[in-house]
Amino acid sequence: DVKVTQSSRYLVKRTGEKVFLECVQDMDHENMFWYRQDPGLGLRLIYFSYDVKMKEKGDIPEGYSVSREKKERFSLILESASTNQTSMYLCASSLIQGYGYTFGSGTRLTVV
Amino acid sequence: EDQVTQSPEALRLQEGESSSLNCSYTVSGLRGLFWYRQDPGKGPEFLFTLYSAGEEKEKERLKATLTKKESFLHITAPKPEDSATYLCAVQDTGGFKTIFGAGTRLFVKA
Repeated sequence: DVKVTQSSRYLVKRTGEKVFLECVQDMDHENMFWYRQDPGLGLRLIYFSYDVKMKEKGDIPEGYSVSREKKERFSLILESASTNQTSMYLCASSLIQGYGYTFGSGTRLTVV
Repeated sequence: EDQVTQSPEALRLQEGESSSLNCSYTVSGLRGLFWYRQDPGKGPEFLFTLYSAGEEKEKERLKATLTKKESFLHITAPKPEDSATYLCAVQDTGGFKTIFGAGTRLFVKA
């Protein structure tokens, strides 16, 4: 079965810390995405990547950066965590445009 | 601007009571419309992709249909295990982004 694995299910970090969220897919998919999901706001796209070492800003990139050094791995970095970044973070991948996404189980991040 | 609106926000059904969820969309050119199921605390699970008006897809008690302006997810004789949030999403031909609706929370009571 196709899989997207996120490294942590729950994470608690302090304000100002640098936070790394890791995502790995085993499907040889070209495209990878990071979303955050908040009650009442739905899924919002942070960054995406359509090729190795390529990255594009989504709708809410401020305070985040990403890295894609290998095709299967897409990392989300919170440069200096703030309380308003407390959220559910979801990684997804797709084979090519026009295909549905496979999502990971999510990382619930709390910044205190 | 691409937009996806789902209705109702929440739907409560008795077991066996069939109903439909609606997804209205606005895109300049439709590459694909997607339905996902999301259980609490988990990532969305892909259900269907629809590409053109008139297309239909089925899976167990679920059937998705597509017109030029909206999509319906029909649930026939639902069971309590169908309780979840159902998300609709669209991707236009112009780029990589997929726009998600806010979802419909479905509750099925035994």
